[in-house]
Amino acid sequence: DAGVIQSPRHEVTEMGQEVTLRCKPISGHDYLFWYRQTMMRGLELLIYFNNNVPIDDSGMPEDRFSAKMPNASFSTLKIQPSEPRDSAVYFCASSRTGTHGEQYFGPGTRLTVT
Amino acid sequence: AQSVSQHNHHVILSEAASLELGCNYSYGGTVNLFWYVQYPGQHLQLLLKYFSGDPLVKGIKGFEAEFIKSKFSFNLRKPSVQWSDTAEYFCAVNAPSNDYKLSFGAGTTVTVRA
Repeated sequence: DAGVIQSPRHEVTEMGQEVTLRCKPISGHDYLFWYRQTMMRGLELLIYFNNNVPIDDSGMPEDRFSAKMPNASFSTLKIQPSEPRDSAVYFCASSRTGTHGEQYFGPGTRLTVT
Repeated sequence: AQSVSQHNHHVILSEAASLELGCNYSYGGTVNLFWYVQYPGQHLQLLLKYFSGDPLVKGIKGFEAEFIKSKFSFNLRKPSVQWSDTAEYFCAVNAPSNDYKLSFGAGTTVTVRA
């Protein structure tokens, strides 16, 4: 079974540009999480979905960040406009109800905003 | 909400030495506990997990962890480390009452010298 898939793996963009990160959760998983990892802040939960519905977006840094999950197999995290302080590794993870919240992580997208 | 504290920021060991990483959490209710490992440049992978039952759990790559409820601790151990165990280790906890959202510790970087 394929794991969580993220694209792109690396993204370099200029300040002010729009960035879209993509995630495909493991088939059959009904929870999807977006995290950001930086040296300064460690792993931060940005937002999570259950059955495609956003449940908690309190970790989203500001209005420049938005996330969608149009169907059970696809989610996006968008940053518009991007800023250098958004540079980080963004991970997507998924889990399935009934498994005590055991999360499986994707390979991450390393975002660099210049 | 639950919180997680990892005692050590950086541990340096020689091959064949024993490893123990401390993890304490603060939450009074039922919790599930996890250790994740992140090898350099890679995503988080699950090492082991505790939900219930025997408080001594064994995971992959020879790791084990012991849940001590009275101490709110879930320490990770390995009797004899290898150079390939060089990685960052994260303790995480969730609770059914908090929709199984994972709270991560700050992580411990383990460097094993050959």
